[in-house]
Amino acid sequence: ETGVTQTPRHLVMGMTNKKSLKCEQHLGHNAMYWYKQSAKKPLELMFVYNFKEQTENNSVPSRFSPECPNSSHLFLHLHTLQPEDSALYLCASSPEGQDNEQFFGPGTRLTVL
Amino acid sequence: AQSVTQPDIHITVSEGASLELRCNYSYGATPYLFWYVQSPGQGLQLLLKYFSGDTLVQGIKGFEAEFKRSQSSFNLRKPSVHWSDAAEYFCGGSSNTGKLIFGQGTTLQVKP
Repeated sequence: ETGVTQTPRHLVMGMTNKKSLKCEQHLGHNAMYWYKQSAKKPLELMFVYNFKEQTENNSVPSRFSPECPNSSHLFLHLHTLQPEDSALYLCASSPEGQDNEQFFGPGTRLTVL
Repeated sequence: AQSVTQPDIHITVSEGASLELRCNYSYGATPYLFWYVQSPGQGLQLLLKYFSGDTLVQGIKGFEAEFKRSQSSFNLRKPSVHWSDAAEYFCGGSSNTGKLIFGQGTTLQVKP
């Protein structure tokens, strides 16, 4: 497997469920990102990790909880979400910092009922 | 405040016609600039990037972009559009200490 992979590709969950999104990069990068893409809105940066340390939290509600156990893996833990959280969640990675090209995964399409 | 603006939300061109997608940026210094393409249900793929040097940048799939400091623009162009170019296009910018900011995106429709 090469590039940036995300699982699952599609997820439907109720507001009381707990689920996790997984991202894995096989590029040897040191920075990883979570973005939210809603219809008719710009891409929203949610979290940034550099060398496994969180360096940015873009005022994301606590019902979204990221985890970066190593430079290759990034998780987004979800609990008690709202219907307005339905969106495409994209993971990306880059060699280091955000001035370098970011490589994106295919995204997880999340629907909250 | 730093920003990236794509003035056109939706553009329709005929197959074989030329294409120009507009992007304007607002940064204190010249940012790093990118164009990405997103096909339906997919992530973003980098088309090209500008960091410094030659202001005309060549990318993949026959795309190019020109950095114009005087106009704070980084417009994407293609001489002849193919039906497979129908997608959403995002312009992005970042400073060397800041985050990557995307424009709202331009949806390209290609008429046969």
